[in-house]
Amino acid sequence: SQQGEEDPQALSIQEGENATMNCSYKTSINNLQWYRQNSGRGLVHLILIRSNEREKHSGRLRVTLDTSKKSSSLLITASRAADTASYFCATDRSGTYKYIFGTGTRLKVLA
Amino acid sequence: NAGVTQTPKFQVLKTGQSMTLQCAQDMNHNSMYWYRQDPGMGLRLIYYSASEGTTDKGEVPNGYNVSRLNKREFSLRLESAAPSQTSVYFCASSAYTGGGKTDTQYFGPGTRLTVL
Repeated sequence: SQQGEEDPQALSIQEGENATMNCSYKTSINNLQWYRQNSGRGLVHLILIRSNEREKHSGRLRVTLDTSKKSSSLLITASRAADTASYFCATDRSGTYKYIFGTGTRLKVLA
Repeated sequence: NAGVTQTPKFQVLKTGQSMTLQCAQDMNHNSMYWYRQDPGMGLRLIYYSASEGTTDKGEVPNGYNVSRLNKREFSLRLESAAPSQTSVYFCASSAYTGGGKTDTQYFGPGTRLTVL
């Protein structure tokens, strides 16, 4: 079964608004990563957050991690049409070398 | 520095044919991975190699074999292709940070495979 599940499955917002997507997972992890995938393209790494971290920022992106709730959120502030893409979280189960991906959130930013 | 490269970019096979997807990375990473992505879905792990000389099954290994040829190269083989294997295949690599932990995964551009 999937280790990570994103919520919502799809999100449509206006340019300039903030977009928040969530990821829940089932077992304890070492790291959690967020990726972006434009339609028909490869995956672009956004942020890696380690299990001992609670929040990380990168430009307009903010990621939080709550290990007690086994959940993470990705916030994109002041969204742009170019942010339209699918966003995936990936978690690695503690003691393994492999990452398991969620099914993704499809974000559409309307100009 | 090319990162992760995959060949071919596109491939069409007939049911029962075999083929090998090639992946190479130039970042001196220990760990390498093969994923498949079906339309509208996330990535599912097929096989991974934590380090040179080792390979392990992921979520969906049936119908596939892998070879970690050396530290740089990790190939995926379909021995007898089936229509259910129509998908986009991604290779990835990551550094090993010790204590059973790996770092950021870097992905190749993908191979679009169609099995008729």
